[in-house]
Amino acid sequence: TQLLEQSPQFLSIQEGENLTVYCNSSSVFSSLQWYRQEPGEGPVLLVTVVTGGEVKKLKRLTFQFGDARKDSSLHITAAQPGDTGLYLCAGDQTGANNLFFGTGTRLTVIP
Amino acid sequence: ETGVTQSPTHLIKTRGQQVTLRCSSQSGHNTVSWYQQALGQGPQFIFQYYREEENGRGNFPPRFSGLQFPNYSSELNVNALELDDSALYLCASSDWTSLYNEQFFGPGTRLTVL
Repeated sequence: TQLLEQSPQFLSIQEGENLTVYCNSSSVFSSLQWYRQEPGEGPVLLVTVVTGGEVKKLKRLTFQFGDARKDSSLHITAAQPGDTGLYLCAGDQTGANNLFFGTGTRLTVIP
Repeated sequence: ETGVTQSPTHLIKTRGQQVTLRCSSQSGHNTVSWYQQALGQGPQFIFQYYREEENGRGNFPPRFSGLQFPNYSSELNVNALELDDSALYLCASSDWTSLYNEQFFGPGTRLTVL
């Protein structure tokens, strides 16, 4: 059972297009992290959001944490082939030792 | 700063065999977590080690066991391998005092059970 559901599961877009990935849950998280994973590698941490309503920007990537700290979104502007990968959200709950990972969104950006 | 390393990178075993996977944590990190990532899915938490003791466990049977050594490196052992154990096994290290449980992953070990 996944605490976090991501949508869409797969996304294939042309270079230069914009896209948004969603991460939803019925549970509250003390923080939420986004990772990108490329084939043959482990997930790499992109950002951590901790406050409800928080917005963080990382170059062309914008991350938002929902007001109730149950959901998050990742928006990519002008996608590039280098953005291709598996995007994972992961939630941290107070008292838990582990991260709860989402189901993942596999993004392909076509040149 | 040395990142998380894992060995071996790939492994092929048959049903019923036993396997040991190894992980060296990032320098300065004292906590190691292991995750199983099946094809097309997000990582699932197996267990975490801190101060050489298991400190939290996910929904995995006892045939999944581990160790942490004084230098914070860790092993994951799986006995009586089953076909469904085929997956990418990820090790992540972190600092116990980190506020947000941010974890730093190794490249993983791809285990295939035939």
